[in-house]
Amino acid sequence: EVQLVESGGALAQPGGSLRLSCAASGFTFNKYAMSWVRQAPGKGLEWVSAISNSGGFTYYADSVKGRFSISRDNSKNTVSLQMDSLRAEDTAVYFCAKDSYGGISYYFDSWGQGTLVAVSS
Amino acid sequence: EIVLTQSPATLSLSPGERATLSCRASQSVGSSIAWYQQKPGQAPRLLIYGASNRATGIPARFSGSGSGTDFTLTISSLEPADFALYYCQLSANWPTFGPGTTVDIK
Repeated sequence: EVQLVESGGALAQPGGSLRLSCAASGFTFNKYAMSWVRQAPGKGLEWVSAISNSGGFTYYADSVKGRFSISRDNSKNTVSLQMDSLRAEDTAVYFCAKDSYGGISYYFDSWGQGTLVAVSS
Repeated sequence: EIVLTQSPATLSLSPGERATLSCRASQSVGSSIAWYQQKPGQAPRLLIYGASNRATGIPARFSGSGSGTDFTLTISSLEPADFALYYCQLSANWPTFGPGTTVDIK
């Protein structure tokens, strides 16, 4: 059974930093691209970032480009999101999501339960 | 930037009825559309990918159709567990989600 468990969500100050992690199990991690998708309170879904199965390719939404950095450790089956220069509008539940294919298809067939990031002074 | 719109915003139906949800893209996206179901406090669940392919474990009462700019998610006979929020998503280039359609109990 695929399991994705996010951690690292917290209250942060504007301009601050947080690092989210997602621990994966139940599938061959190094064969699949991974993404982060967020959902502001009471709002819809917004894709944030993706990383290829090897980690060699990374992609970002314009809203986070230059501030967030995605990475993965295939030896530990983890994917991380380093979030710098945080803004109030980054407040959201952040979901880790597994791509359906080995390449980046952006079809997310498994999701974690989410971790809450709140940015406020 | 491709924008997805969903209609209606809310669909009020009774168990056993047929639900038809619409998703429209601002320009042609081929078949690069997925549908997700989300319940309060839960993560989304993939229902349909490639516009018409059911994801693993998804019941046959869920079906997707369409190509180009107009897409439809149909639930043939609503079960109590189907009352939820539904999003369409563009999978091409940068993923984009529609605003969602809530299917609630009439």
